[in-house]
Amino acid sequence: AQSVAQPEDQVKVAEGNPLTVKCTYSVSGNPYLFWYVQYPNRGLQFLLKYITGDNLVKGSYGFEAEFNKSQTSFHLKKPSALVSDSALYFCAVRDDSNYQLIWGAGTKLIIKP
Amino acid sequence: DTAVSQTPKYLVTQMGNDKSIKCEQNLGHDTMYWYKQDSKKFLKIMFSYNNKELIINETVPNRFSPKSPDKAHLNLHINSLELGDSAVYFCASSQLQGISGNTIYFGEGSWLTVV
Repeated sequence: AQSVAQPEDQVKVAEGNPLTVKCTYSVSGNPYLFWYVQYPNRGLQFLLKYITGDNLVKGSYGFEAEFNKSQTSFHLKKPSALVSDSALYFCAVRDDSNYQLIWGAGTKLIIKP
Repeated sequence: DTAVSQTPKYLVTQMGNDKSIKCEQNLGHDTMYWYKQDSKKFLKIMFSYNNKELIINETVPNRFSPKSPDKAHLNLHINSLELGDSAVYFCASSQLQGISGNTIYFGEGSWLTVV
């Protein structure tokens, strides 16, 4: 069965430190992978996606994600965290059977000043 | 210039009432969605429309009825509201999902509280 997992409910990082939010997936074909961010009381905002090509994808707000086919992972990263990065982050993978997105449970990112 | 706009943002209503949430997108997309986000922040797709035609209808009570008058609008009507319907409802749009992974754009959400 196709699925996506975000193994951490919450990630805490000090401001200025690098951050990683983890995502692993399981699909039968080529994976199409997405990251979205949700700030409090707001809608989801698209950050970046991997369709094909370079394994390192750059996105909005200085975020990037690394596609690793052997580890079936698509971790979200940022070299230096800002307090304003504190939000809920969702990973999603496209379901090959109906082309809809399968969503992870979300990871709450807390950046401490 | 809001790309996907939905109204109302907040809605408090009593059990048994009927309510509607409206959604409009100005991105020229041909596919629109309704998602439900529960209190634990889980996202679940409810419906998907392409060019006014229903293409996805997940296991949703038939009290929920989407209506798409044109491809830029997808409204959600809910009959006989129940306490368990309290959630955040997100409208979204994209080009038709197919071979390419088209990005989905979300509205700001409608916070529904049933009392």
